[in-house]
Amino acid sequence: DTEVTQTPKHLVMGMTNKKSLKCEQHMGHRAMYWYKQKAKKPPELMFVYSYEKLSINESVPSRFSPECPNSSLLNLHLHALQPEDSALYLCASSQELVGGYGYTFGSGTRLTVV
Amino acid sequence: QQQVKQSPQSLIVQKGGISIINCAYENTAFDYFPWYQQFPGKGPALLIAIRPDVSEKKEGRFTISFNKSAKQFSLHIMDSQPGDSATYFCAATHKGKKVTFGTGTKLQVIP
Repeated sequence: DTEVTQTPKHLVMGMTNKKSLKCEQHMGHRAMYWYKQKAKKPPELMFVYSYEKLSINESVPSRFSPECPNSSLLNLHLHALQPEDSALYLCASSQELVGGYGYTFGSGTRLTVV
Repeated sequence: QQQVKQSPQSLIVQKGGISIINCAYENTAFDYFPWYQQFPGKGPALLIAIRPDVSEKKEGRFTISFNKSAKQFSLHIMDSQPGDSATYFCAATHKGKKVTFGTGTKLQVIP
């Protein structure tokens, strides 16, 4: 299995809602990432997990809360988002904490905040 | 110094033609330069990559040309096909750590 699976594919949420994005990989990769991508822009790094521990938080607002329950799963909990948080949220993984040598990205969750 | 500048922003090429996307960087510590291809509604996928000790790398119809002295690299797509229509991102990294992406090029190959 060489895939990163993200669910849901689409999500519409109100500004007072709480929702979660889910990411799963079964490639044995030990580093997992959350990226945010706005339309016509490159992906922007949000969080990095290495061996299930948070390694990097790129000064992301606390309304985004990541969680890595085990080596195969990565969640992103969302609460009190703003319309400007609408974007494509991408999960990625790499064998070790050297994702620059080649990420495997999921297809993303298209999030719309209304 | 962490920027990677990419051009053009968009590109229209006829089927069978050559598509060329250019990138330039400032940070001489970068040691790996991947290219990602992203189709609408999908995540980016690693297409091809090069290290700065190599001037060219070819995989099928895709070739990276690398000019270390000019701090520039480019992606050439030979015999471009409509199925190549996608957004292409160049990128750079140092020791595989934080990746700096270019701004992206939307390629449209018309029949």
